[in-house]
Amino acid sequence: DGGITQSPKYLFRKEGQNVTLSCEQNLNHDAMYWYRQDPGQGLRLIYYSQIVNDFQKGDIAEGYSVSREKKESFPLTVTSAQKNPTAFYLCASSTLWPNEQFFGPGTRLTVL
Amino acid sequence: AQSVTQLDSQVPVFEEAPVELRCNYSSSVSVYLFWYVQYPNQGLQLLLKYLSGSTLVKGINGFEAEFNKSQTSFHLRKPSVHISDTAEYFCAVSDRGNSGGSNYKLTFGKGTLLTVNP
Repeated sequence: DGGITQSPKYLFRKEGQNVTLSCEQNLNHDAMYWYRQDPGQGLRLIYYSQIVNDFQKGDIAEGYSVSREKKESFPLTVTSAQKNPTAFYLCASSTLWPNEQFFGPGTRLTVL
Repeated sequence: AQSVTQLDSQVPVFEEAPVELRCNYSSSVSVYLFWYVQYPNQGLQLLLKYLSGSTLVKGINGFEAEFNKSQTSFHLRKPSVHISDTAEYFCAVSDRGNSGGSNYKLTFGKGTLLTVNP
């Protein structure tokens, strides 16, 4: 059954710690994306990648980092430089064209 | 640059009533349009999409939307809603160009919370 998985579903972090969120897809999609969702603000793009070993900053990349070593994997690291990391994080993937995006179930990150 | 405006942040309706969720976009080029639904603490699920062809698009769960190029709108409608339709709905747009780079991104509206009351 094809789809996108994100883990963990809930994540707690102490201030000053880095944390990595996992995203895996078996849809054979070239493009992958990370979004942050806060109440009332919709989805904001953090990073995206169209091909292995390449990625671009989105609208709110500061304090985040990504890698794309394999086509099916696009992990997101929330660093201690991110001032307000508590949010719901969504990963998505798509073909390059048309770019209908398929979403994972999300990870809720809480900083204690 | 593209933008998407969802004109209502919240829409309360009674069960079995019709509903329309409004979406307007701005873009200097031709676009693809999408509506997604999000249930609490879940990811987004595609409801329907407009890529080309007929401007009236039918999606899952009895929803439909009409692409109006002259009014740059893509409003979502359902003739009779159920309690289970309570969720947040997002409109999204992307360029139809294929020159790469930012054309692969979707631009999302801020969402409309549909609440269906008994």
